[in-house]
Amino acid sequence: TQLLEQSPQFLSIQEGENLTVYCNSSSVFSSLQWYRQEPGEGPVLLVTVVTGGEVKKLKRLTFQFGDARKDSSLHITAAQPGDTGLYLCAGAGNWKTSYDKVIFGPGTSLSVIP
Amino acid sequence: GAGVSQSPRYKVTKRGQDVALRCDPISGHVSLYWYRQALGQGPEFLTYFNYEAQQDKSGLPNDRFSAERPEGSISTLTIQRTEQRDSAMYRCASSQERETEAFFGQGTRLTVV
Repeated sequence: TQLLEQSPQFLSIQEGENLTVYCNSSSVFSSLQWYRQEPGEGPVLLVTVVTGGEVKKLKRLTFQFGDARKDSSLHITAAQPGDTGLYLCAGAGNWKTSYDKVIFGPGTSLSVIP
Repeated sequence: GAGVSQSPRYKVTKRGQDVALRCDPISGHVSLYWYRQALGQGPEFLTYFNYEAQQDKSGLPNDRFSAERPEGSISTLTIQRTEQRDSAMYRCASSQERETEAFFGQGTRLTVV
């Protein structure tokens, strides 16, 4: 059973469109991280959210941590082909697993078509 | 080093052979993680260390898999009597301390034939 779920699994959009991907769990995490992974490379951290209700912006990317610290969303405005990749959420500080283990969701594969 | 280094980058081995995958983390990083990743999927947790102590090995699939980090730096993931289902990308990551940003290596692509 996945502790973290992500949706959608696949997303293909036209350049310039907006999109939102979701990361959900039935468990509370101390923090959630979002990573982006390009083919052949390892995941690279985009942002860490810690406080329930927190919103962080990184250029065209907006990240939100749910009030209950069980879910998070990533919104991309005016998507560009360079945004193509696998977007992964990762949770840390979950009492069900072990406090400081970082576990990953299954990912959302995004393709932005020029 | 500048980043997390894994070796070998590619390993092809015959079924039944043992393999050892090496991870050299960023200098000074306390936490070291091993993950296995299928194409297009998120990394699947295998095990992790804080310093030399193996904190959690609940993700290791069976007793053919083991890992060590004897001096709190370099780590080795060993798979004994490899099987075809062990074929995957094995990724190592390190972080400065618990729950902080994980930096990933390039991975070792293991193919068991």
